[in-house]
Amino acid sequence: GENVEQHPSTLSVQEGDSAVIKCTYSDSASNYFPWYKQELGKRPQLIIDIRSNVGEKKDQRIAVTLNKTAKHFSLHITETQPEDSAVYFCAAAATGNQFYFGTGTSLTVIP
Amino acid sequence: NAGVTQTPKFQVLKTGQSMTLQCAQDMNHEYMSWYRQDPGMGLRLIHYSVGAGITDQGEVPNGYNVSRSTTEDFPLRLLSAAPSQTSVYFCASSYSIGGGGTEAFFGQGTRLTVV
Repeated sequence: GENVEQHPSTLSVQEGDSAVIKCTYSDSASNYFPWYKQELGKRPQLIIDIRSNVGEKKDQRIAVTLNKTAKHFSLHITETQPEDSAVYFCAAAATGNQFYFGTGTSLTVIP
Repeated sequence: NAGVTQTPKFQVLKTGQSMTLQCAQDMNHEYMSWYRQDPGMGLRLIHYSVGAGITDQGEVPNGYNVSRSTTEDFPLRLLSAAPSQTSVYFCASSYSIGGGGTEAFFGQGTRLTVV
């Protein structure tokens, strides 16, 4: 089955700096790569996603890049704000809703 | 739309007891799934369903049963609870686009403790 690795497990940045979280996957059949944000005690919520036919996608301060050859994808958050503090999960899916998640990155934005 | 609704939010079980976690969605999504979330391990897929009457195992299915008699409901049954099943459980649903992945909408979670 699919194996998704995520780094780093914790990340602290100063407010206004950028944050980068990286994930690798093993199954070349995976074609959908979402990123979820989970605040303490809350449910995961989608912040951005990318499909295998696209190399990069951007939504305001958030961007995701995908390198299919190397089987890795990354989340980039620019101009970080304290409300960006949360746990972020990457995931990969080949079909339907069989998501394989990374182990999460706890991001702390220091005011 | 209520989205994905899970009940209960909290539950304490004794070892050996059985229980059912309820999950319902009102978005007419074909796909539904159950995940467990443990510290440092992310979310792991327990069981999933691609439509009414069709279920399959995920990464960690042992000790759990599911059924999907309607599009809306996807209950998760713990047959004989064990301390190793202490976790936070999330139900999720998503729609189909011919096999490709789409956004999963999560329920609010059930925090289960087995003593």
